[in-house]
Amino acid sequence: KAGVTQTPRYLIKTRGQQVTLSCSPISGHRSVSWYQQTPGQGLQFLFEYFSETQRNKGNFPGRFSGRQFSNSRSEMNVSTLELGDSALYLCASSRGGAVVQETQYFGPGTRLLVL
Amino acid sequence: GQSLEQPSEVTAVEGAIVQINCTYQTSGFYGLSWYQQHDGGAPTFLSYNALDGLEETGRFSSFLSRSDSYGYLLLQELQMKDSASYFCAVRDQGGFQKLVFGTGTRLLVSP
Repeated sequence: KAGVTQTPRYLIKTRGQQVTLSCSPISGHRSVSWYQQTPGQGLQFLFEYFSETQRNKGNFPGRFSGRQFSNSRSEMNVSTLELGDSALYLCASSRGGAVVQETQYFGPGTRLLVL
Repeated sequence: GQSLEQPSEVTAVEGAIVQINCTYQTSGFYGLSWYQQHDGGAPTFLSYNALDGLEETGRFSSFLSRSDSYGYLLLQELQMKDSASYFCAVRDQGGFQKLVFGTGTRLLVSP
């Protein structure tokens, strides 16, 4: 079974631009979560989508948004990029059921550099 | 809110045993997970503890004490490939897919 894939793997943008990142979950998984990883703040939850609906949201500004398609693939968008948005963006997929011990499987991430 | 504290770095030699600690403060507790992340790689799931005690998976074991809000990951027979960052994580009470991660511990294994 193929793992979680993310595209692109690397991205360089300038301040003020916007960016769209893509995540394809493991087949059969309906939940996709997004995380931002930086040296200073560590791994932080952005939001989670399940069946095309945002089910959970972290404490990030409205410039960060996402969506999920009917095939469970998800995109996240960051508008008006700031230098502090430079980070590794990880997505994770799971079946999405109400099972506490359900494992999340992470993709390799998209490394975004904002200049 | 939730917060999890880990040592920033641990060093050990091949063949040794190392313990990585995690203390947490949470409003609602739904188990403690551990993830491994190699430089440039994705976090990969290692273990999950919902109840007190020790869970063993090969060379790795994880322990939880809910009364002490404390857990640890034990790595035995260390190998060079175990050099990586290790994160503990809890689920947020607002959603089981929302993981709150610890600060991470960088493990350096030397020959």
